Amino acid sequence: EAQVTQNPRYLITVTGKKLTVTCSQNMNHEYMSWYRQDPGLGLRQIYYSMNVEVTDKGDVPEGYKVSRKEKRNFPLILESPSPNQTSLYFCATRGQIFYGYTFGSGTRLTVV
Amino acid sequence: QKEVEQDPGPLSVPEGAIVSLNCTYSNSAFQYFMWYRQYSRKGPELLMYTYSSGNKEDGRFTAQVDKSSKYISLFIRDSQPSDSATYLCAKRHSGGSNYKLTFGKGTLLTVNP
Repeated sequence: EAQVTQNPRYLITVTGKKLTVTCSQNMNHEYMSWYRQDPGLGLRQIYYSMNVEVTDKGDVPEGYKVSRKEKRNFPLILESPSPNQTSLYFCATRGQIFYGYTFGSGTRLTVV
Repeated sequence: QKEVEQDPGPLSVPEGAIVSLNCTYSNSAFQYFMWYRQYSRKGPELLMYTYSSGNKEDGRFTAQVDKSSKYISLFIRDSQPSDSATYLCAKRHSGGSNYKLTFGKGTLLTVNP
């Protein structure tokens, strides 16, 4: 079954404590992306990756880092989380032939 | 002006009603238009997509794009309680290397039995 797996599903952390949200896909897709979803603001792209070792900023990259060392994984790193990064995060992937994105189930992050 | 505008609702209808969900967009450099459905505590899932203009039908769902008026619509016939979800319209920029989707803010739909 085609899947995008995010971990953890829920996370509460304190300001400044580095964290990583993992994302893994089993579809052998080259393109992966991270979005955050906030009430009243909708889904906004944070970072994307066209392939291994190829990443670039989306619309709201400040405070985030990503890496793409292997095709299946695309972790999102918050080196010093702040309360304004409290949000619902989604990892997504798409294949070469466009049939839309496949999203993970989301990670709800709370920074206190 | 936002690139994609969507009425957030909420929208509440009785079972069996025809539902009309709408979005407008401001940039003509788009070719792919999509509708995603998002259930509570789940990720968005692709419901329908259209390329360019016109209608596309899939079962009880019809997606419509009117490029002249920059209008995107999703119609749900014979709505069911299981259709209760947030519906997100989205468009993908044509050209470039980032397959970024720009989303509307979503419309919360409740179908009452």
